[in-house]
Amino acid sequence: AQSVSQHNHHVILSEAASLELGCNYSYGGTVNLFWYVQYPGQHLQLLLKYFSGDPLVKGIKGFEAEFIKSKFSFNLRKPSVQWSDTAEYFCAVNAGERDDKIIFGKGTRLHILP
Amino acid sequence: DTGVSQDPRHKITKRGQNVTFRCDPISEHNRLYWYRQTLGQGPEFLTYFQNEAQLEKSRLLSDRFSAERPKGSFSTLEIQRTEQGDSAMYLCASSLVLRALNTEAFFGQGTRLTVV
Repeated sequence: AQSVSQHNHHVILSEAASLELGCNYSYGGTVNLFWYVQYPGQHLQLLLKYFSGDPLVKGIKGFEAEFIKSKFSFNLRKPSVQWSDTAEYFCAVNAGERDDKIIFGKGTRLHILP
Repeated sequence: DTGVSQDPRHKITKRGQNVTFRCDPISEHNRLYWYRQTLGQGPEFLTYFQNEAQLEKSRLLSDRFSAERPKGSFSTLEIQRTEQGDSAMYLCASSLVLRALNTEAFFGQGTRLTVV
């Protein structure tokens, strides 16, 4: 069965710091990978997605993620965070060849200090 | 608004009552998901549909929970004999899944259930 592990539950950074949030999944076959963001009081929104092709994926608001198949990882990065990036971030995966259900990690709460 | 729509946005019910939530997906989307989210946790998978067919229901889900998508468009989630532990945000999402094209899941605003 698929599962997703997010290593950092709560991250606090100052503005302009660099960000990397870890995500590992367990599934041996083809996967589709996602990062979603949930701003306070808002619904889940897609930051970026990987279906195939270039393993370095660029998303909205300056975020990017790199799919490393050998490490079963899909870490999220941003070189310089802003106060408005304060939110909860969720990594998600589904088994691509089976078009399976999407499974989410427990999330990382990011707090940016102004 | 052509996004995923959920109704109601909030529901307060007494323990033991039945509740039903509705989800209207994005019109051309053939896949529909239900998730449950509690504070500080990620969305927990409940069930999903491809058109009107229910593909899977979480094994962790009580028999008190049932979902339908009778015409392959809107879906309903019913919880019978609600318990305080059912209090959560219930999320609906939809996507388009075709042989040569998949989209990500688009989420609604959710229905917040409080069982008192």
